[in-house]
Amino acid sequence: DTGVSQDPRHKITKRGQNVTFRCDPISEHNRLYWYRQTLGQGPEFLTYFQNEAQLEKSRLLSDRFSAERPKGSFSTLEIQRTEQGDSAMYLCASSAGLAGVNIQYFGAGTRLSVL
Amino acid sequence: AQSVTQLGSHVSVSEGALVLLRCNYSSSVPPYLFWYVQYPNQGLQLLLKYTSAATLVKGINGFEAEFKKSETSFHLTKPSAHMSDAAEYFCAVSTSGTYKYIFGTGTRLKVLA
Repeated sequence: DTGVSQDPRHKITKRGQNVTFRCDPISEHNRLYWYRQTLGQGPEFLTYFQNEAQLEKSRLLSDRFSAERPKGSFSTLEIQRTEQGDSAMYLCASSAGLAGVNIQYFGAGTRLSVL
Repeated sequence: AQSVTQLGSHVSVSEGALVLLRCNYSSSVPPYLFWYVQYPNQGLQLLLKYTSAATLVKGINGFEAEFKKSETSFHLTKPSAHMSDAAEYFCAVSTSGTYKYIFGTGTRLKVLA
């Protein structure tokens, strides 16, 4: 069990560029989540997958954002035409998908800075 | 819909003193409640969870929290603060059948020598 890993840890980009982040969940976990955390705030839910199916998307996830989990393993989060307001920490989490309480394990995050 | 309120965005305590971080929740159905800790430039680490079993929950690093339904609270405590406890702490709520967490805005704990 190597935990949830995210890549890259830091990304600096210019406004208008596209960026893609990757998340590798804990291997036996079938649920995967993306959250966004801005300075001084708690993480805010963006979207979640059960296996390869994207089951819920927050209204925070504008049309410029897209997430995939093609084979039910790793996931990518792409932001197109980045804006300065996209600067944040993007956190990925995974959980085992058991009945009852759903305990999420978080990665270290990708910090995005849009110049 | 669920929500979480964490009173006090910054809390300072002396080393060895009691730590009390406040969390109040709102939920129309029985909640699951969590406390996570975040160290600088790191992800969130689970401290403890409430899952409708015992109302007093013990977690890692000497932390515990008590679920009080009548007060809709889940405050986090530690009898004696250590310098290594300095971090940001987040309370979160979820419910059975909803998988996303709703987080509070966090409390940054500072421990004074």
